[in-house]
Amino acid sequence: EVQLVESGGGLVKPGGSLRLSCAASGFTFSSYSMNWVRQAPGKGLEWVSSISSSSSYIYYADSVKGRFTISRDNAKNSLYLQMNSLRAEDTAVYYCARGKSGIAAIDYWGQGTLVTVSS
Amino acid sequence: DIQMTQSPSSLSASVGDRVTITCQASQDISNYLNWYQQKPGKAPKLLIYDASNLETGVPSRFSGSGSGTDFTFTISSLQPEDIATYYCQQYDNLPSWTFGQGTKVEIK
Repeated sequence: EVQLVESGGGLVKPGGSLRLSCAASGFTFSSYSMNWVRQAPGKGLEWVSSISSSSSYIYYADSVKGRFTISRDNAKNSLYLQMNSLRAEDTAVYYCARGKSGIAAIDYWGQGTLVTVSS
Repeated sequence: DIQMTQSPSSLSASVGDRVTITCQASQDISNYLNWYQQKPGKAPKLLIYDASNLETGVPSRFSGSGSGTDFTFTISSLQPEDIATYYCQQYDNLPSWTFGQGTKVEIK
């Protein structure tokens, strides 16, 4: 069974940093692209960042470019999101999500971790 | 950037009704469109990919159609467990993805 378990969310002050982690199991992690998608409270979905299976290709939404860094450790079956210079508008549930093979879609999602940026 | 306009933003229908949601792209996106279902308090779930392909394990009452700029998502016979918010997502201008604003489906 595919499982994606996020951790690392919490309350942080504006300008602060946070590192999210996602532990993957139940599939060959190194064969899939991975993504972070966020959802502000009561709002819709927003794609944040993607990373290819071997980390060769990395992409960011304009809203986080230069502040967030996605990475992965295939030996540890783990995905990360380093978030710096956090703003109030970054407040959201952050989902770790697996890319569907061969299609730009997400076929598995974690349960999400809440990041709250507030003074 | 490609904008996705999803409508309606919410709807109320009776069990057994046919429900239709539309998603319009600001430019031609071929068939690069997916549909997701998100139940309250849960992560989204992929239902339809490439505009009309049913994801494995998804009930056949869900379907999608369209290409270019206009897309339709249909529930042929609404069931109580279909109460959720539905999102379209385009991937024509990779690597950036865009989601629609969502359609909240309720039971009348």
